[in-house]
This record gives sequence, C-alpha cells and structure tokens, in this order.
Amino acid sequence: GNSVTQMEGPVTLSEEAFLTINCTYTATGYPSLFWYVQYPGEGLQLLLKATKADDKGSNKGFEATYRKETTSFHLEKGSVQVSDSAVYFCALPEGGSSNTGKLIFGQGTTLQVKP
Amino acid sequence: DAMVIQNPRYQVTQFGKPVTLSCSQTLNHNVMYWYQQKSSQAPKLLFHYYDKDFNNEADTPDNFQSRRPNTSFCFLDIRSPGLGDAAMYLCATSRAKGEQFFGPGTRLTVL
Repeated sequence: GNSVTQMEGPVTLSEEAFLTINCTYTATGYPSLFWYVQYPGEGLQLLLKATKADDKGSNKGFEATYRKETTSFHLEKGSVQVSDSAVYFCALPEGGSSNTGKLIFGQGTTLQVKP
Repeated sequence: DAMVIQNPRYQVTQFGKPVTLSCSQTLNHNVMYWYQQKSSQAPKLLFHYYDKDFNNEADTPDNFQSRRPNTSFCFLDIRSPGLGDAAMYLCATSRAKGEQFFGPGTRLTVL
C-alpha cells in the first residue's frame, strides 16, 4: 500500500525565517497529496493539496510541489510567523482497492516560531 | 457555512463509565471517520462508515463502538473507558475518495 515519511521535529525557527518540512511518499500511480495543519487544541485543517504530478498547492503563503521524480511533496514558506506554530501532517490516500478517502498520515512535524 | 461539528469539546468521565461522543456534518458527505489522537502523534483511524456500511480497523479495540443513525450524525461509544483511552477524538467526513474535512475534536479525560 501507499506510505509517507515525514521529517521529524520539532522545528524551531525565528520569525521571518524560511521553512522547509520534508515529505516523501511511495504510492501506486499518482494519488492526490495533502498537507494538513493542526493548531493547538484544534482538529486538523487542510492546508493545501496537489492532485497530479508537477502541481503546486499553495495557501496562506505555504507551497508544496508534487514531484514524481523524487516522490516528494515538501512544504515551504518564505517567511514564517508566530501564528504558524502548529503541527503539520503530510498525507495521501490509502490506495489499493479502497473506495474511500481513507488517508495515510506522516508522523507529524511540530513547528515552533519564536518572535 | 458547511462544517463538521463535534460535541462536547471536552468530556470528563470516570474509569469504566460509558461515554458517547457526537459528530454531525452539514456537508452531506457519505463517508464519516473516527480517529484517536494522542499528544501530537498522527491521528489513528478507529473506523469509518461508507454510507451505512461500517468498516472497523483491524486493531481497534472492542471497547470502541460506533453508530450512524443517518447521513448527518455519527457517534463514538466507549463502553468501559480506561486511562489509556484519554486522548483527542477527531471526526472527519469525505465524499468517497475526496479530501477529508475534520471537526474540532473532543478532548476526553478519564479519571
């Protein structure tokens, strides 16, 4: 089945620093890829997605490009803010014969941004 | 706005006392999921409903049950909560193979 490996955290940055959180995947075919964000005490929110190879997903200054050559979907932001402090999860569908949106999640990366 | 709602946001129960968590949705999605999440770990899928069809994950303890009386509502029943069941419980919905939309979660404390 499909799988995902995500960079371990925690990641601590100063405000306005550049952020990269690495995510690599193994999958049959070219499934959609997702980044979810979880702010303290809340549920997960879809941050961005890409549905096919070479697509770039973007939202709130975050970007990730679906790269089939390197099987990667790294999350980047040029200038982080304190409000970006959260846990970030890379995810993709389970694949195979599954007929639902059942997801495989990475282990999560905690980002802490200091003023 | 269309959304996924979970009640209550915080639930305290006693060891062994049954508890029910509630999830409702206005998205009219046909798939509903229940996850357990501890600390900042990845959510762990307990089970999901595809319409009325119930799908249990192989490693979900028998202590956890679920009901989906209609498209909009889904319940998580914990028959005899143990200390190890203290966690955040997340409900999510999707259209078949579409992206998942999550509720805000219910934080369960077991005393």
